[in-house]
Amino acid sequence: NAGVMQNPRHLVRRRGQEARLRCSPMKGHSHVYWYRQLPEEGLKFMVYLQKENIIDESGMPKERFSAEFPKEGPSILRIQQVVRGDSAAYFCASSYRSPGNTGELFFGEGSRLTVL
Amino acid sequence: DQQVKQNSPSLSVQEGRISILNCDYTNSMFDYFLWYKKYPAEGPTFLISISSIKDKNEDGRFTVFLNKSAKHLSLHIVPSQPGDSAVYFCAASARAGGTSYGKLTFGQGTILTVHP
Repeated sequence: NAGVMQNPRHLVRRRGQEARLRCSPMKGHSHVYWYRQLPEEGLKFMVYLQKENIIDESGMPKERFSAEFPKEGPSILRIQQVVRGDSAAYFCASSYRSPGNTGELFFGEGSRLTVL
Repeated sequence: DQQVKQNSPSLSVQEGRISILNCDYTNSMFDYFLWYKKYPAEGPTFLISISSIKDKNEDGRFTVFLNKSAKHLSLHIVPSQPGDSAVYFCAASARAGGTSYGKLTFGQGTILTVHP
């Protein structure tokens, strides 16, 4: 049973370019979360998606960032016109239950974005 | 506004002894607490959790204690093993009445080193 798969593991972009990070949740999981970890900090919630729906995007920066989880295919976190401050590790997590669950999230290994 | 704080950036313990990692929170709405373990270049792995209706939860060598009045929780690892060396994150969620059960607020992490 494959875990949460993220790719690419490492991504280097120049300022102004676009970054696309992909996440395939664990089999049977329909809830996807994106978190960002800046250097020397804990993980910060960005967005919570279910298939074709954004449930909670309260942690997403207002500009340049977007996320989707289409009916088919992986979830995508898109960062347009990247700046150096976007350099971070981006973690995707999935779960298969919501109300009443234990809150366990299964995390991927992360995508490390470096903006030059 | 750091709602979950781990005030000790690092902890060093001898193999076989007890490791105690601490976490404080400020948001009274938090009602579910989790500990995650993270190795370098990997995603966080769920360790143990506790609901606010309990004050203790035990799983093998790991025990989490919750003191609601002090808004404090701790993770005890007994006996500590060198393989426990990792970064430990405390996380909290406000689940009652909400839908974002995977929306966790993380602390900054504590680096645990267990010496042989």
